[in-house]
Amino acid sequence: EAQVTQNPRYLITVTGKKLTVTCSQNMNHEYMSWYRQDPGLGLRQIYYSMNVEVTDKGDVPEGYKVSRKEKRNFPLILESPSPNQTSLYFCASSRGHSNQPQHFGDGTRLSIL
Amino acid sequence: SQQGEEDPQALSIQEGENATMNCSYKTSINNLQWYRQNSGRGLVHLILIRSNEREKHSGRLRVTLDTSKKSSSLLITASRAADTASYFCATGLLIYNQGGKLIFGQGTELSVKP
Repeated sequence: EAQVTQNPRYLITVTGKKLTVTCSQNMNHEYMSWYRQDPGLGLRQIYYSMNVEVTDKGDVPEGYKVSRKEKRNFPLILESPSPNQTSLYFCASSRGHSNQPQHFGDGTRLSIL
Repeated sequence: SQQGEEDPQALSIQEGENATMNCSYKTSINNLQWYRQNSGRGLVHLILIRSNEREKHSGRLRVTLDTSKKSSSLLITASRAADTASYFCATGLLIYNQGGKLIFGQGTELSVKP
């Protein structure tokens, strides 16, 4: 089954403790991206990757890092999480680029205390 | 304000009625997409309409695009309780050297009562 898998689905942690949210897709998609969803602000793109070893900032990249060492994986790293990063995070992938229909994971709800 | 703005923010209807959601945007687009999000889940792609298309159908969904007014509408006919979800429009832009960009609106919450 074609899917985008995120882990963990839920995480409560404390300020400053490094964490990684993993994202994996099995559709051989070139394009992958991370979004955060906040009430009243909609979905905002954090980082995106057009292919292996090619990543770039989205609209709200501060406090986040990503890497794309393999085509299927696109982890999101919070080196020193802060409470304003409490949010619902989504990974998405597509063929080609972001103008194509996006396949979304089921989301990761992060709470930073 | 944002590239994609949706109207209404919330809509409550009875099962069997039609639901219409609207999306307005500001800049020229390559395509416009509609997504559904069930509570606690990821977004699911519903339909894509290109900038040179005016209308598209998929099952009970009908999407129109008016590039002169920079607006789109999503019509769900004969709604069912299972259609209860948030619906988002997303404008696909072509950006030189980036391949493209997809900007999401804030969504319309649809509630279909049995």
